[in-house]
Amino acid sequence: GQQVMQIPQYQHVQEGEDFTTYCNSSTTLSNIQWYKQRPGGHPVFLIQLVKSGEVKKQKRLTFQFGEAKKNSSLHITATQTTDVGTYFCAGPRANAGGTSYGKLTFGQGTILTVHP
Amino acid sequence: EAGVAQSPRYKIIEKRQSVAFWCNPISGHATLYWYQQILGQGPKLLIQFQNNGVVDDSQLPKDRFSAERLKGVDSTLKIQPAKLEDSAVYLCASRGAGGRTGELFFGEGSRLTVL
Repeated sequence: GQQVMQIPQYQHVQEGEDFTTYCNSSTTLSNIQWYKQRPGGHPVFLIQLVKSGEVKKQKRLTFQFGEAKKNSSLHITATQTTDVGTYFCAGPRANAGGTSYGKLTFGQGTILTVHP
Repeated sequence: EAGVAQSPRYKIIEKRQSVAFWCNPISGHATLYWYQQILGQGPKLLIQFQNNGVVDDSQLPKDRFSAERLKGVDSTLKIQPAKLEDSAVYLCASRGAGGRTGELFFGEGSRLTVL
């Protein structure tokens, strides 16, 4: 079945360092979404990428969607303690049909720890 | 705007007992999802509703899990009988028709511990 893999599983950084997490899908994706889950919290939507090669920025966060639409990355510049949490990528389930929005396959997440 | 409401937040039961979780989505959101998140993993879709109809329940273990959304608003997820491996956070999410197309709004979740 469809698999979405993320690396690394864990990342420990000093405050001010950069952070990158990578996401790879076993199938081509129509779009990819990124969510952040704070410790003890629930996933919160960050962004959706749709176009091949798309790059979007949100302040210190930069998101990329690969040319083949099978991989993506999230880069955080100059991490802050508020960036702590688990970052998930998610893509529509394969063969989900026209109602695929929201039927997501999530990666296992990258847990980011930021040391002050 | 009120978010997705879920209850109870925590539940501890013994194996073979039953449990039910309730979800009230964001007002006006026609699509509702139940996801299961086991510790250390990403959420896994269990079932999707569009209004009061089931769109996809292919990943729902139907021998023990059931879900309904009778009036197209709030929803209930039931597990009977529970197994140890059902220990997880059960997340309800909803999606609106407009705006950022794929964005899901998650509730705080219901954490189930099966002993």
